Amino acid sequence: DVKVTQSSRYLVKRTGEKVFLECVQDMDHENMFWYRQDPGLGLRLIYFSYDVKMKEKGDIPEGYSVSREKKERFSLILESASTNQTSMYLCATMVMGQGVSPLHFGNGTRLTVT
Amino acid sequence: GEDVEQSLFLSVREGDSSVINCTYTDSSSTYLYWYKQEPGAGLQLLTYIFSNMDMKQDQRLTVLLNKKDKHLSLRIADTQTGDSAIYFCAEKAGYSSASKIIFGSGTRLSIRP
Repeated sequence: DVKVTQSSRYLVKRTGEKVFLECVQDMDHENMFWYRQDPGLGLRLIYFSYDVKMKEKGDIPEGYSVSREKKERFSLILESASTNQTSMYLCATMVMGQGVSPLHFGNGTRLTVT
Repeated sequence: GEDVEQSLFLSVREGDSSVINCTYTDSSSTYLYWYKQEPGAGLQLLTYIFSNMDMKQDQRLTVLLNKKDKHLSLRIADTQTGDSAIYFCAEKAGYSSASKIIFGSGTRLSIRP
């Protein structure tokens, strides 16, 4: 079974702080994703990565950056946290290749910015 | 652009069938997925259907795809309290892993005794 581990389940940060959300996977998947989930809006893609040191913007990258120095780890960085970044953040992985290739999700990090 | 739409809430009586509907706009969708999210957890893949199929059955789950109308549905037979969750419809456009997966807003299914 694919295991996707997000380092924190709950996080409370202050406005203006730099925040790091970590995600680690154990299945050697090439693709990793960061989504945020908000009620009524579903999942929105922030950033994704196809390989080490590669990153692509998703639909809502503003205010975020990412880092992928090792294949198994994908970090989401909030450079200066703001209250509108209070949300549930979900990391996901996907194997490279054609076909079904579903996303495998971590359990999420609920971030509150005060 | 790509869009996936679902109603936000559905309430059914225990033992009845639940039908969750989804519409999408991208005609080049290759795979369509249903994910389930239980409280406090991430999303788990429930089932999927390839775009050249019109039906897929897996135990209590039946997926129907109407490609002409771009309509997808998930039917859960004999709904149980353990089926309470948020169900997300998602589409993948294109065959490669570079294809984006677009999610709907999720339908919260609640079960009445």
